Amino acid sequence: NAGVTQTPKFQVLKTGQSMTLQCAQDMNHNSMYWYRQDPGMGLRLIYYSASEGTTDKGEVPNGYNVSRLNKREFSLRLESAAPSQTSVYFCASTWAVVGNQPQHFGDGTRLSIL
Amino acid sequence: AQSVTQLGSHVSVSEGALVLLRCNYSSSVPPYLFWYVQYPNQGLQLLLKYTTGATLVKGINGFEAEFKKSETSFHLTKPSAHMSDAAEYFCAVSDQGGAQKLVFGQGTRLTINP
Repeated sequence: NAGVTQTPKFQVLKTGQSMTLQCAQDMNHNSMYWYRQDPGMGLRLIYYSASEGTTDKGEVPNGYNVSRLNKREFSLRLESAAPSQTSVYFCASTWAVVGNQPQHFGDGTRLSIL
Repeated sequence: AQSVTQLGSHVSVSEGALVLLRCNYSSSVPPYLFWYVQYPNQGLQLLLKYTTGATLVKGINGFEAEFKKSETSFHLTKPSAHMSDAAEYFCAVSDQGGAQKLVFGQGTRLTINP
């Protein structure tokens, strides 16, 4: 089973460029999430989608947009990349929007912005 | 807003020694609590979770954690460290209501000395 698949795995951008990070899950999960991981700061929630057709801001949404394309796919877009967005980005999914179900994570996209 | 504090960004123990990774959370209402492990260049994997009921929770790979409401703590332990335990460990919490927005601690990197 693939679980949560993120593409690309690595990307280098120049300041001002745009790009979309892709995420797909094959577990029929309802909820999907985007996090960024920075050294010494753990993971911080950027956006989430509690169910197909809904999206909401997390802790650090500025500079990002998201699209829940269908139940399987949840993309993250950087419209005008900035060096402060250099980070490792993780997508996660879970079956239940409330409760104690664990989130399943992809392997991450390592993004550098010059 | 919820916050999570992991005491010690780096912990080093000898192989066979006790592992103790500390986690404290800020909520006055017991949240759902999770420990995740991250191996190099991988996503996060669930070690264990606390929801309700028994305060001592057993997870994978011989790890366990004890929920102490009076201390707002959820420390992770393993009686005997193995070389394969070297990784980064994250404590996370989510409120019992709402869309399971995880709040992570800053992480603790565990090194095992031979």
